[in-house]
Amino acid sequence: SQQGEEDPQALSIQEGENATMNCSYKTSINNLQWYRQNSGRGLVHLILIRSNEREKHSGRLRVTLDTSKKSSSLLITASRAADTASYFCAPEENFNKFYFGSGTKLNVKP
Amino acid sequence: DAGITQSPRHKVTETGTPVTLRCHQTENHRYMYWYRQDPGHGLRLIHYSYGVKDTDKGEVSDGYSVSRSKTEDFLLTLESATSSQTSVYFCAIREAGEGETQYFGPGTRLLVL
Repeated sequence: SQQGEEDPQALSIQEGENATMNCSYKTSINNLQWYRQNSGRGLVHLILIRSNEREKHSGRLRVTLDTSKKSSSLLITASRAADTASYFCAPEENFNKFYFGSGTKLNVKP
Repeated sequence: DAGITQSPRHKVTETGTPVTLRCHQTENHRYMYWYRQDPGHGLRLIHYSYGVKDTDKGEVSDGYSVSRSKTEDFLLTLESATSSQTSVYFCAIREAGEGETQYFGPGTRLLVL
C-alpha cells in the first residue's frame, strides 16, 4: 500500500527549538497531507502540499516535498509546549484513499 | 470540529457479539471513512464510502462490514467481535475532489473481552 512512514518515531525537544519530522512513501502521489493528533483525539489537518510543489509554509509550519526521493518533511519552528502531539503524513495516491503511517510523537518540554 | 459525531464513544462487549458503530455528519460531504488506530500501526483504513450505497474496502476490511443508506450516516458493523478488534475507531468525512481535507470524528473506544 501507499503507507506513509514517519521518522523519527519519537522526538523530544525544548520549547523554542525547531522540530523536524520526515515522511517517506512508495509510489507516485497527487499530494501529501500532514495531520496532527492530540492524545485521545481525532486527527486535525495541518497542511497540504501538491506533487508539483516543493515547499509550502503555514505560520510556524514548513513542509517540503521531494518527489524524486519520495519523501516529505515537516518543520515546526519555535516550538511550544502546546505543539506536543503525534504528527502523521498521509500520501494521497488517488482521490479516495489515504494511508497513514504510525506517526511521530513529539514532546515539547517547557 | 466539523459536524461529525460518533456513537457510542465507548463500548465494552464480549467476543462473538455483533457491534455497530455509527458515524453521523451534518456537512453533506460525499466521502466517509472508517479507520482503526492501534499502537504501532497508526491509522488503518477499514472501509470507505463515496456516496449513498457506494462503499469500498480498505486495507483491513476482514471482519467488518459497512452500510450507508443516507448521506449523513455511515455504519460500521463487526459481525462477530473478536479480541483483535479491540481498538479506537475513527470516522472521517471529506468533500469530493483531489486535495480535499479529511475531518475526523472524536473516536470510539471499543474493548472486546
